[in-house]
Amino acid sequence: QSALTQPRSVSGSPGQSVTISCTGTSSDVGAYNYVSWYQQHPGKAPKLMIHAVSKRPSGVPDRFSGSKSGNTASLTISGLQAEDEADYYCCSYAGSYTWVFGGGTKLTVL
Amino acid sequence: QVQLVQSGAEVKKPGASVKVSCKASGYTFTDYYMHWVRQAPGQGLEWMGWINPNSGGTSFAQTFQGRVTMTRDTSISTAYMELSRLTSDDRAVYYCARIKSYYFDYWGQGTLVTVSS
Repeated sequence: QSALTQPRSVSGSPGQSVTISCTGTSSDVGAYNYVSWYQQHPGKAPKLMIHAVSKRPSGVPDRFSGSKSGNTASLTISGLQAEDEADYYCCSYAGSYTWVFGGGTKLTVL
Repeated sequence: QVQLVQSGAEVKKPGASVKVSCKASGYTFTDYYMHWVRQAPGQGLEWMGWINPNSGGTSFAQTFQGRVTMTRDTSISTAYMELSRLTSDDRAVYYCARIKSYYFDYWGQGTLVTVSS
């Protein structure tokens, strides 16, 4: 099972919006609405930001949103803030009680 | 509040095994499956597998089949992940993560495993 494909890096200025893509296959991202996104700051554990493609856990700012089209899921961060600078990982259920992560995207806030 | 507290860093020789623990608190341990995820230095997250704390049933990523064992001790709300036949490629931070529905809602702090002769 191959890792989901994410851009290695994205960047944006404070206040702008950025979108991170996550491309899988018809066996994972395309097959299930079970895509989640995690934010990871250096030296810290990942933190859940989005689940079930577009649901935000309580406490996550509404600047974070998720969507999916076909085999590609996306995380959009609007109104970029300095503290959003981190690595972001997508994850999808891949059937047969297995999960697969994306390779990660480094977000730089310019 | 939910907490997952993992054991400390380990240094192992090539060919050895390592066993990492993950102590859960703040919820009923047997109500949620526990997963393990690892992250090599400067690399992405890699899903390893899960254990059902209620039944002890497990499932592993193909990459780790035959080399990983996941167990639990319900009396102390602790899950364990043991990886054998270690090589330098196994140097990573290993995380336990509770799964709710199909997403990981709580993570341990991570355990660094170093493999060095």
